[in-house]
Amino acid sequence: KAGVTQTPRYLIKTRGQQVTLSCSPISGHRSVSWYQQTPGQGLQFLFEYFSETQRNKGNFPGRFSGRQFSNSRSEMNVSTLELGDSALYLCASRRGGSTGELFFGEGSRLTVL
Amino acid sequence: KNEVEQSPQNLTAQEGEFITINCSYSVGISALHWLQQHPGGGIVSLFMLSSGKKKHGRLIATINIQEKHSSLHITASHPRDSAVYICAALSMNRDDKIIFGKGTRLHILP
Repeated sequence: KAGVTQTPRYLIKTRGQQVTLSCSPISGHRSVSWYQQTPGQGLQFLFEYFSETQRNKGNFPGRFSGRQFSNSRSEMNVSTLELGDSALYLCASRRGGSTGELFFGEGSRLTVL
Repeated sequence: KNEVEQSPQNLTAQEGEFITINCSYSVGISALHWLQQHPGGGIVSLFMLSSGKKKHGRLIATINIQEKHSSLHITASHPRDSAVYICAALSMNRDDKIIFGKGTRLHILP
């Protein structure tokens, strides 16, 4: 059974650009959540999608957005990149319920210059 | 004060030692996750629990809902257990949002 797949694994952008990250969940999983990990702040919840609807959102500015497609694949977008957006972005999938076990991808490491 | 606090932040131990990592939280929770992160970034979910105790191999996780405290124990520790261990609380008060602890960096010496 394939795990959670995130693409790209590494990317470098410059300030002001925008970036789109992709997450393909485990087959059958309908929930995809996104997290930002930085050395200073640790892991922080960005948002969660379930059946193409945003179910929850963390405390991030509107530059961070996401969506989920009918096949449960999800994308997150960060517009007008800032240096502080440099981080490891992780997604996780679970079957459905809010208390289900989380399965994480390997992450997308974004560097903003 | 963080809503989820872990201790210790760093822990170095000899192979074979019994390890305990603690997690205290101040919010009402519906579940608590213990996660393991190896260098390179990949995260593995070790346990999800809402009451009592769970065991998987050499790993044991316990939670005391009344005291708002959870512990992760590793018996007969091994260098391959070296990783960052993170507890994450699924908050009832914040629409099921997940709140993470800062992590405990564990280093097991051979």
